[in-house]
Amino acid sequence: QKEVEQNSGPLSVPEGAIASLNCTYSDRGSQSFFWYRQYSGKSPELIMFIYSNGDKEDGRFTAQLNKASQYVSLLIRDSQPSDSATYLCAVRTPGNQFYFGTGTSLTVIP
Amino acid sequence: GAVVSQHPSWVICKSGTSVKIECRSLDFQATTMFWYRQFPKQSLMLMATSNEGSKATYEQGVEKDKFLINHASLTLSTLTVTSAHPEDSSFYICSARGGGRGANVLTFGAGSRLTVL
Repeated sequence: QKEVEQNSGPLSVPEGAIASLNCTYSDRGSQSFFWYRQYSGKSPELIMFIYSNGDKEDGRFTAQLNKASQYVSLLIRDSQPSDSATYLCAVRTPGNQFYFGTGTSLTVIP
Repeated sequence: GAVVSQHPSWVICKSGTSVKIECRSLDFQATTMFWYRQFPKQSLMLMATSNEGSKATYEQGVEKDKFLINHASLTLSTLTVTSAHPEDSSFYICSARGGGRGANVLTFGAGSRLTVL
């Protein structure tokens, strides 16, 4: 399944910096986009979702969506070591399936 | 709200046996549940979409006779891995749409790690 593509990383940022995670998707009709965080050996947990073009902020997290470019990103401000995890981008297709990218491994260095 | 319970969380079985994994939405009704499989350091691969009261929809390449899915009620879906073999060893995760976060958001169970000897 190549519906959703992510840079697998690993991505390393120092504590307090901004981490930027990117994702592209193939189905232009997709309407809902999600960012999940997954710790090793655990199931994913939802960080945030976005439906409309533009930015959506939730605390230290900002999701950005550009449907024309089929691109969605996640910014993490003031990164903390506890943010170290794999971040999964997910897309809900018009057929109501949810597909995930391969995930980006993020390490925040104290 | 929006809690999905999955069990067993860990199962070891002999090759050739069948294993059943249960996925329950505890505080909401889920007409649609999804089953994913995840191999180490890989992403979640959608196996099938489970719809209450009807047959599951399988993704291309997933054997429906090997991975039996039953969604008999609005709160329970089961995945049975039949005649399991070592290559079926993986992390199986269910998810459900709905609950307090809305119909378009997935809530995941804790996952079931299957090891086939």
